Amino acid sequence: NAGVMQNPRHLVRRRGQEARLRCSPMKGHSHVYWYRQLPEEGLKFMVYLQKENIIDESGMPKERFSAEFPKEGPSILRIQQVVRGDSAAYFCASSPGSGRTNEQYFGPGTRLTVT
Amino acid sequence: DQQVKQNSPSLSVQEGRISILNCDYTNSMFDYFLWYKKYPAEGPTFLISISSIKDKNEDGRFTVFLNKSAKHLSLHIVPSQPGDSAVYFCAASGLDNDMRFGAGTRLTVKP
Repeated sequence: NAGVMQNPRHLVRRRGQEARLRCSPMKGHSHVYWYRQLPEEGLKFMVYLQKENIIDESGMPKERFSAEFPKEGPSILRIQQVVRGDSAAYFCASSPGSGRTNEQYFGPGTRLTVT
Repeated sequence: DQQVKQNSPSLSVQEGRISILNCDYTNSMFDYFLWYKKYPAEGPTFLISISSIKDKNEDGRFTVFLNKSAKHLSLHIVPSQPGDSAVYFCAASGLDNDMRFGAGTRLTVKP
């Protein structure tokens, strides 16, 4: 039973380019969460999605960031016109249900470096 | 707003001794608390959780204590082992199901 998969593991982008981060949840999980970890900081919640729906995007920057979780395929976190401050580790997690006692299973993360 | 705080960025203990990691929260609506462990270059992994109806939950060497009146929880690891060296994140969630994480505490267990 494969865990949460994220790709790429490392992504280098120049300022102004677009970054696309992919997350495939665990089999049977329909809830996906994205977190960002800046250097020397903790995990910051960004967005919570179910299939084809954004449930909570209160942690997403208002501009340049978007997320989707289509009916088929992985969840995508998209960052347009990246800036140096976007350099961070981006973690995806999935859970089988929406109840808060459902523990979240994390992927290995994508480390984004903006040059 | 930092609703979950881990005020100690690092902790070092001797192998065999007890490790105590602390976490404070500000949102009284949180009613479920979790600890995650993270090794370098890996995602966090779930360690142990506690519901607000309890004040203690134990799983092998790991025990989590919850003090609701103080809005404080702690993770005890005893005896500590070198393999426990990792970053530990405290997390809390409430009715909105969103989980909020602390900044993490880096535990080093020395042989």
